[in-house]
Amino acid sequence: SAVISQKPSRDICQRGTSLTIQCQVDSQVTMMFWYRQQPGQSLTLIATANQGSEATYESGFVIDKFPISRPNLTFSTLTVSNMSPEDSSIYLCSVARGNNEKLFFGSGTQLSVL
Amino acid sequence: RKEVEQDPGPFNVPEGATVAFNCTYSNSASQSFFWYRQDCRKEPKLLMSVYSSGNEDGRFTAQLNRASQYISLLIRDSKLSDSATYLCVVNLGISGTYKYIFGTGTRLKVLA
Repeated sequence: SAVISQKPSRDICQRGTSLTIQCQVDSQVTMMFWYRQQPGQSLTLIATANQGSEATYESGFVIDKFPISRPNLTFSTLTVSNMSPEDSSIYLCSVARGNNEKLFFGSGTQLSVL
Repeated sequence: RKEVEQDPGPFNVPEGATVAFNCTYSNSASQSFFWYRQDCRKEPKLLMSVYSSGNEDGRFTAQLNRASQYISLLIRDSKLSDSATYLCVVNLGISGTYKYIFGTGTRLKVLA
């Protein structure tokens, strides 16, 4: 398994502001993944964060809106920029580890934008 | 067609019942398969990987049918604590690359 510390666990933000979410993993991993889970929906991949290179974004997500940093092999941040109420969601970081490359998740950040 | 499809449920079953969920996937090149459990407002947690030969963990049995492109999860002797959403996850990536696709989840409610 993996121990992933994610913070903040929740936040309530004003429209137009930005929030940075942090994820710390207990050991080095090549790739970290950022997901969004909107109310009543399943998980949607935002981007894959590689150390030392730009993140790879999925269709519908752009770097200006969701800038990602990956300064080393145990840490990553996701920023939700210029927030609107449509950004209200749970944001999850995850890593793949072990035989069969299982996914492990941080505890999530519950974001509400007013 | 969605890449990974699940019946959203809810499945309402009495305690002690046996319940089965199916999940179909569209990409025959899919490499690995998993069932995750997600409780309300919590992160998904790995329940079990799914292997071609089928695998069992206590009351839970998972099966993979590559020919028909579906995976299944069987829960025997359901407990109240089994109430959750069960997510089917497929990894399309070849070794060293990852592309995990999540199903929409199947809600299970076990009733006393």
